Amino acid sequence: DTAVSQTPKYLVTQMGNDKSIKCEQNLGHDTMYWYKQDSKKFLKIMFSYNNKELIINETVPNRFSPKSPDKAHLNLHINSLELGDSAVYFCASSQQGGAYNSPLHFGNGTRLTVT
Amino acid sequence: KQEVTQIPAALSVPEGENLVLNCSFTDSAIYNLQWFRQDPGKGLTSLLLIQSSQREQTSGRLNASLDKSSGRSTLYIAASQPGDSATYLCAVPNDYKLSFGAGTTVTVRA
Repeated sequence: DTAVSQTPKYLVTQMGNDKSIKCEQNLGHDTMYWYKQDSKKFLKIMFSYNNKELIINETVPNRFSPKSPDKAHLNLHINSLELGDSAVYFCASSQQGGAYNSPLHFGNGTRLTVT
Repeated sequence: KQEVTQIPAALSVPEGENLVLNCSFTDSAIYNLQWFRQDPGKGLTSLLLIQSSQREQTSGRLNASLDKSSGRSTLYIAASQPGDSATYLCAVPNDYKLSFGAGTTVTVRA
């Protein structure tokens, strides 16, 4: 049973398109995250939701919009894709209290390539 | 602002040698420190989480130490195996999110 699952695993699209990445966790966690890993492998937080409420929103272009229909799901929608959006996007989850209390569990990532 | 640094960026050792991976952080007021492993094309797997009140944490061949006052953590992997080849990242909580180091990529030669 996959604890944190993301779909799709690979996404190749053209500039200007709109795309979504889905994430689901079956761990019963309250907090979910989106991280971006750039070409230099550096991981940076984008968003975090706790019980469907947005608690972290880093300096991310408003073309990126997260949506959490329930606490087990956190989807990422990206409008008007740009070349610089090419990266690996990771979903993660943790128990309530987030990173202060419990380990984060990561999905396997979605490799987005914008051409 | 919390900054996390990992040196070296890459490490290559022969099989059987012990591995020592370093992590430093600028703000010593941390709640915990977490070590992850990332295999190519995969997500991150949590290896160890050390609470700020602990000095070390062990799991099998892995041992992580934490020295808050000096802003350092060290991950030791005993008797390395080719299967230990991966990128190892450390992370500390910072405003309800994790701040990551850039990782150390380890290659264990058979």
